[in-house]
Amino acid sequence: HSALTQPASVSGSPGQSITISCTGTSNDVGGYKYVSWYQQHPGEAPKLMIFDVTFRASGVSDRFSGSKSGNTASLTISGLQTEDEAHYYCSSYTNINTWVFGGGTKLTVL
Amino acid sequence: QVQLVESGGDVAKPGGSLRLSCTASASNLSDYYVAWIRQAPGKGLEWVSYISNSAISTYYSDSVEGRFTISRDKAKNSVYLQLNSLRAEDTGVYYCVRGALRFDSWGQGTLVTVSS
Repeated sequence: HSALTQPASVSGSPGQSITISCTGTSNDVGGYKYVSWYQQHPGEAPKLMIFDVTFRASGVSDRFSGSKSGNTASLTISGLQTEDEAHYYCSSYTNINTWVFGGGTKLTVL
Repeated sequence: QVQLVESGGDVAKPGGSLRLSCTASASNLSDYYVAWIRQAPGKGLEWVSYISNSAISTYYSDSVEGRFTISRDKAKNSVYLQLNSLRAEDTGVYYCVRGALRFDSWGQGTLVTVSS
C-alpha cells in the first residue's frame, strides 16, 4: 500500500475554515470506515483527533470535523485558532490488515 | 488516561539489533491491541506493526517484514519490538500506541539511530 495522499501544506487566518484532503484507494480509505486523523505539534507525540471518519476523540473541540466521499477523506477545522498550527496526518485500515498513513499536512495559521 | 512508556532506543550499526519495550501505567495493556509506529527525522508517520490482545495475530509493514518481531508479555504488562538486520532507513522515533481500529494513546517515543 502506498502512502495516502495529503497536500504538503495549507494555511488560513484566525477564524477561517480550512479543509485537508486525504486520498487513497478502494483498498483503504474507500473500502473502510476506519479513517482517523492525528495532530502533531513540534516535539510532541501525535494526538488522535478524529476516528471512524467522523467521530471526535474525547476532549477534541467541535471545530474539528471529518468526512469521506469515495476514496477521499477530509478534515475540516473551523474557526481557526493559532494553537491549531501543527502537522496533521490521516490514516486508514487496509484490506490486508495493515494501516497506512498520509504524508502529512503542515497547517499554518497566518 | 493510559500512559505508555517506551525504552530501548539506542545507536546501532547497520545489520545490528535492538529490542524496544513498551509498558503501560494505569492500564492493563494486555486487554488491547498495540502497534508500533515510527517517524524518521523530519518525516511523516509510518505504521510498522501491531499485535492483537491475545497475541495470536501479528502484522507487519512490507518494509520490516522478516526483520522485526512484535511480541507481548502479559505478566509484565509489556509489548516488545525486536529489530534485527537494521538499516539506515530504520532510523527514527518509534512510538508505542494503543488501539486496534484507531490509535488513541501514544507514548513519547524512543529514538533508534542506525549508523556506522
